[in-house]
Amino acid sequence: EDQVTQSPEALRLQEGESSSLNCSYTVSGLRGLFWYRQDPGKGPEFLFTLYSAGEEKEKERLKATLTKKESFLHITAPKPEDSATYLCAVQGGFKGGATNKLIFGTGTLLAVQP
Amino acid sequence: DAGVIQSPRHEVTEMGQEVTLRCKPISGHNSLFWYRQTMMRGLELLIYFNNNVPIDDSGMPEDRFSAKMPNASFSTLKIQPSEPRDSAVYFCASSLLWNMGLAGINEQFFGPGTRLTVL
Repeated sequence: EDQVTQSPEALRLQEGESSSLNCSYTVSGLRGLFWYRQDPGKGPEFLFTLYSAGEEKEKERLKATLTKKESFLHITAPKPEDSATYLCAVQGGFKGGATNKLIFGTGTLLAVQP
Repeated sequence: DAGVIQSPRHEVTEMGQEVTLRCKPISGHNSLFWYRQTMMRGLELLIYFNNNVPIDDSGMPEDRFSAKMPNASFSTLKIQPSEPRDSAVYFCASSLLWNMGLAGINEQFFGPGTRLTVL
């Protein structure tokens, strides 16, 4: 069964203190791994898609990387406005029919203090 | 450019009442998804449609839940009768699949959600 596990559940950082969030996954035939950001009271906001092991993508202070078993979201010199819940999701392979389901992890709640 | 639109944003109702949530996907998108989010269970997929056709409804909790997509620009999620345990935030998301099924990569874009409270 496809599964996504995110760690830590919560992370508190000081402004400028770099760190990484982890997303471990088991999926039959990974077609895509997605990172989303969710602010309180809002819907998840799409950040990145990673397709294959070794791939990296960057956006401002965020960099996402992918291996065959996990993905990392690296946050460099975070600012208070980076505070949010970060969600990871995977799209698995073809299973006897068209499938575009995403399996989401439970997220990491990031708090960046000034 | 308008994103996914959901209405109402908040709904408070009494147990046993019918609730209808509405969603307008991004224009041109061909897949639509209904999710439910709670603190305990996180984000759960309820049902999704490709080209207005329901593909997978295995996440729908029970017969009290139903969803329709009469055209490419509108979908509803109905709960009848509602129960207190249905209280959650319900999200609608849409995506554009370039190659349905075999090679489509599913970048989904979410609406702002409907916060449902059933008393």
